[in-house]
Amino acid sequence: SSELTQDPAVSVALGQTVRITCQGDSLRSYYASWYQQKPGQAPVLVIYGKNNRPSGIPDRFSGSSSGNTASLTITGAQAEDEADYYCNSRDSSGNHGVFGGGTKLTVL
Amino acid sequence: EVQLVESGGGLVQPGGSLRLSCAASGFTFSSYWMSWVRQAPGKGLEWVANIKQDGSEKYYVDSVKGRFTISRDNAKNSLYLQMNSLRAEDTAVYYCARDLRSYSSGWYDYWGQGTLVTVSS
Repeated sequence: SSELTQDPAVSVALGQTVRITCQGDSLRSYYASWYQQKPGQAPVLVIYGKNNRPSGIPDRFSGSSSGNTASLTITGAQAEDEADYYCNSRDSSGNHGVFGGGTKLTVL
Repeated sequence: EVQLVESGGGLVQPGGSLRLSCAASGFTFSSYWMSWVRQAPGKGLEWVANIKQDGSEKYYVDSVKGRFTISRDNAKNSLYLQMNSLRAEDTAVYYCARDLRSYSSGWYDYWGQGTLVTVSS
């Protein structure tokens, strides 16, 4: 299967920890990447590979993977973390990209 | 500073054609896989196509295969997407994105600001 499944919406209290998950068969073979997108803006890479953060991404963002599930964890969520989050990986052929449907994170 | 700047979007009738461009600067363009990703209004991200550094490999999502063509001109540091036989469902913001690795990792570390394509009569 080339699909990645995400929960449509998740909420978290300010300062608490939230985990956003992404499921798909291709995740057994390929690491996911995670993107944050705020309204009217281009996506921003926040996690890639096993658990790597690009320069400038706060260390409260972390990633993990087990079996067919990849997870993005935000430890101590801030108001500015409210956004849509997308996972991405390759399909089973390894040649095509595929995105999850996205998770809207609300920080209460 | 790495920059990706898309252009060429606009309003086109169903069945029409459009060519998108992405001007790259601030990095060695010829060293990276490049991709196009689109986002329909109010919807999620959809990977569209990618191309190897020398253009020798190109891949497409099934819904655009045979209608869209990705290409690049390394001398001009530019990426292109030729879109033919456009349909209403192709309406989206189109982003160009750079692959983080020298191989096709699917990890996109830089994105352009996007260009809007609207297919409507």
